[in-house]
Amino acid sequence: GQQVMQIPQYQHVQEGEDFTTYCNSSTTLSNIQWYKQRPGGHPVFLIQLVKSGEVKKQKRLTFQFGEAKKNSSLHITATQTTDVGTYFCAGKDFGNEKLTFGTGTRLTIIP
Amino acid sequence: GAGVSQSPSNKVTEKGKDVELRCDPISGHTALYWYRQRLGQGLEFLIYFQGNSAPDKSGLPSDRFSAERTGESVSTLTIQRTQQEDSAVYLCASSLVFGGAANYGYTFGSGTRLTVV
Repeated sequence: GQQVMQIPQYQHVQEGEDFTTYCNSSTTLSNIQWYKQRPGGHPVFLIQLVKSGEVKKQKRLTFQFGEAKKNSSLHITATQTTDVGTYFCAGKDFGNEKLTFGTGTRLTIIP
Repeated sequence: GAGVSQSPSNKVTEKGKDVELRCDPISGHTALYWYRQRLGQGLEFLIYFQGNSAPDKSGLPSDRFSAERTGESVSTLTIQRTQQEDSAVYLCASSLVFGGAANYGYTFGSGTRLTVV
């Protein structure tokens, strides 16, 4: 079955530094979504990418979908303490509505 | 309602007992999903309901797990003869399906934290 891996598993950064998490799927995806889960909270939808090579920005967050639609990345510029949490990518196969979540990258910020 | 509601928020049960978890999706969301999240782990797909279609049960880990949904509203996840490895947070999510595909993200509930002792 489909597998979605993320690296790194953990990332500790100084406040103000940049952060990137990478997501790789074993299969070509229909689309990919990103979620943020704060400590003790539930996942919250951030964005969906559909097109090959698509890039979307949300303030300090930049999301990319690979040309082959098998990988994606999330880049945060100048991290803030509010960025703390675990970031999950989630891929959707063609003809199937369920999302397969990645393993997640847990981001901690050193003030 | 305004969000996805799950109950109970916490459940402690003895090994071997049955438990029932409830999910109220957002009104108008035809798709409903159950995921399991063990401590510090990712989200494991359990089951998916979409309208009147047969549910996708491919993620249920054993025949002790079952789920039902009444129309396009409430869903219940039942775990029979609970085991300690069932301890986890059970998350429910719903989504808006448009044009035959869920073009929007999932909205998750706050989850039910199940502890089997």
